[in-house]
Amino acid sequence: AQKITQTQPGMFVQEKEAVTLDCTYDTSDPSYGLFWYKQPSSGEMIFLIYQGSYDQQNATEGRYSLNFQKARKSANLVISASQLGDSAMYFCAMREGRYGNQFYFGTGTSLTVIP
Amino acid sequence: DADVTQTPRNRITKTGKRIMLECSQTKGHDRMYWYRQDPGLGLRLIYYSFDVKDINKGEISDGYSVSRQAQAKFSLSLESAIPNQTALYFCATSDPGQGAEDTQYFGPGTRLTVL
Repeated sequence: AQKITQTQPGMFVQEKEAVTLDCTYDTSDPSYGLFWYKQPSSGEMIFLIYQGSYDQQNATEGRYSLNFQKARKSANLVISASQLGDSAMYFCAMREGRYGNQFYFGTGTSLTVIP
Repeated sequence: DADVTQTPRNRITKTGKRIMLECSQTKGHDRMYWYRQDPGLGLRLIYYSFDVKDINKGEISDGYSVSRQAQAKFSLSLESAIPNQTALYFCATSDPGQGAEDTQYFGPGTRLTVL
């Protein structure tokens, strides 16, 4: 079974609108971390946001927030007030265990922001 | 200056050639990783190292070897390159001492083409 599933290969959003990128995960370990990365066309991987499995509140970092629904095993990324520079690939990732030795990545969602 | 650097950034080689990709970091992190990225498959872990004397295979280690020359340096070698090793290769570092996050920070990537 896939550890991380991103079901949206491509998404479009109007500039200044909000967009949600879906991510579901699969683990039986009670301790894990969830991450989102952005990969612009230049290729680098940029860390955006982190959510720990024991965190009570949803993580937020500027215009990024993580909608963490533990029972549903989902960790959706919400980008508010989309900007043209948000156009990129977005990857969801999980680390199993408190100091787990591997990250598992999803296949990514390509986001295009339309002016 | 970038915290995680990779050399070369681009490389074209021929089938059967030995090639080495190098990674250096100034973040002072103990943990280092090598991933490859293929279109539609996300990132897959090749090897990881938790300190200079620790080397571990990841999901797709066949055809690859690594060397951890120092805390700051982690090299990936393709002993006899083949065309299906054409991919974007990323080095990453992390530091569990920074708390439960253990976020991975990526280098800019090396685009390898095997003809």
